[in-house]
Amino acid sequence: NAGVTQTPKFQVLKTGQSMTLQCAQDMNHEYMSWYRQDPGMGLRLIHYSVGAGITDQGEVPNGYNVSRSTTEDFPLRLLSAAPSQTSVYFCASSYSMGDGGNYGYTFGSGTRLTVV
Amino acid sequence: AQRVTQPEKLLSVFKGAPVELKCNYSYSGSPELFWYVQYSRQRLQLLLRHISRESIKGFTADLNKGETSFHLKKPFAQEEDSAMYYCALSHFNKFYFGSGTKLNVKP
Repeated sequence: NAGVTQTPKFQVLKTGQSMTLQCAQDMNHEYMSWYRQDPGMGLRLIHYSVGAGITDQGEVPNGYNVSRSTTEDFPLRLLSAAPSQTSVYFCASSYSMGDGGNYGYTFGSGTRLTVV
Repeated sequence: AQRVTQPEKLLSVFKGAPVELKCNYSYSGSPELFWYVQYSRQRLQLLLRHISRESIKGFTADLNKGETSFHLKKPFAQEEDSAMYYCALSHFNKFYFGSGTKLNVKP
């Protein structure tokens, strides 16, 4: 199993450009999430999905779109990049345990995005 | 609303000393709590789930509902424990993270 795979690992964008961060998991996990990690602020949830075709907003969704057409893929789209979106982005996936609890998220290796 | 607070940004201890990384939470129901570790420039790795009451790499954490805490402890710190540690709470399978504590274990 590859686990959670994110591409690209690094990206530099100009203000106003758009791009898509790719995320794929091969563990058949139902839950997938996108986080951004900023110094001193920990990880903040951007968007979230409980299964194919179902997405929801997290704490900081503005400026980002997601879709989940398959169980495996959960791309994050930056519509019009801004310097405030300079961050490290992590994709993660998880599943429920038999008792209804969560097993815990498995994280990708991250995408380091710089917007100039 | 659910919230996770890690009051210490940085914790420095000497090798062999006990370690306690603090985590407090705010949650109206029965919380599902986790600890994650992130070594330098690596991805986050799951360290502990409170529900399974495991001990991983010598770390343990006990849920104290009265004090709404889930502190991470290790009796004897090792240099390889130096990393960022994040406490997280699951709310309907959405995870909310604290701001993290950087543990520095000095030789």
